[in-house]
Amino acid sequence: GAGVSQSPSNKVTEKGKDVELRCDPISGHTALYWYRQSLGQGLEFLIYFQGNSAPDKSGLPSDRFSAERTGGSVSTLTIQRTQQEDSAVYLCASSLGVGSIDLTFGAGSRLTVL
Amino acid sequence: AQSVAQPEDQVNVAEGNPLTVKCTYSVSGNPYLFWYVQYPNRGLQFLLKYITGDNLVKGSYGFEAEFNKSQTSFHLKKPSALVSDSALYFCAVRPGNSGNTPLVFGKGTRLSVIA
Repeated sequence: GAGVSQSPSNKVTEKGKDVELRCDPISGHTALYWYRQSLGQGLEFLIYFQGNSAPDKSGLPSDRFSAERTGGSVSTLTIQRTQQEDSAVYLCASSLGVGSIDLTFGAGSRLTVL
Repeated sequence: AQSVAQPEDQVNVAEGNPLTVKCTYSVSGNPYLFWYVQYPNRGLQFLLKYITGDNLVKGSYGFEAEFNKSQTSFHLKKPSALVSDSALYFCAVRPGNSGNTPLVFGKGTRLSVIA
């Protein structure tokens, strides 16, 4: 597609429920990143995928968070047993791949945990 | 590990006046430095970057930034602010020549340009 597409744009859920957030990167981009934007906290790196390599999961805050990328394209970020502190905007970005430093961001998925 | 500091949560400036949004960084080796802007309910948009070469980098919408190695700073500037520049600005850094090491972002500075 022309840009990075994220869905849903807004998600309200109850504490303890699982949620899935989707990211569709720019066609041909092999690198995909997830960041979390919390109020007053800036952007926090979560996870990074590059092609078929093992993902860099070093930023995931707990084992309730996981992500996968199927077929080297679409990625899903899953948060299990959501907590109120998970409320944030989850941003996805993609780039051409190794050696490319230019990221294109999606509009984000705003998650509210009640 | 790399880090970015944006010391001001909020910057207010009158329309037509020059603006500066401050950023300092810490990284091993030579840095790659970036500024992004976020308008309400939108994703981050790339403004400019410093990789190598001239310390003064010019970017989108009339913005520029100056890389200062001795002060480890990369302040964002614009000679004459517009009301439409009001947004949230993020500085980011990563080590140069480090593959696809994820960018580390500052906490953001909210710029408010008053007519």
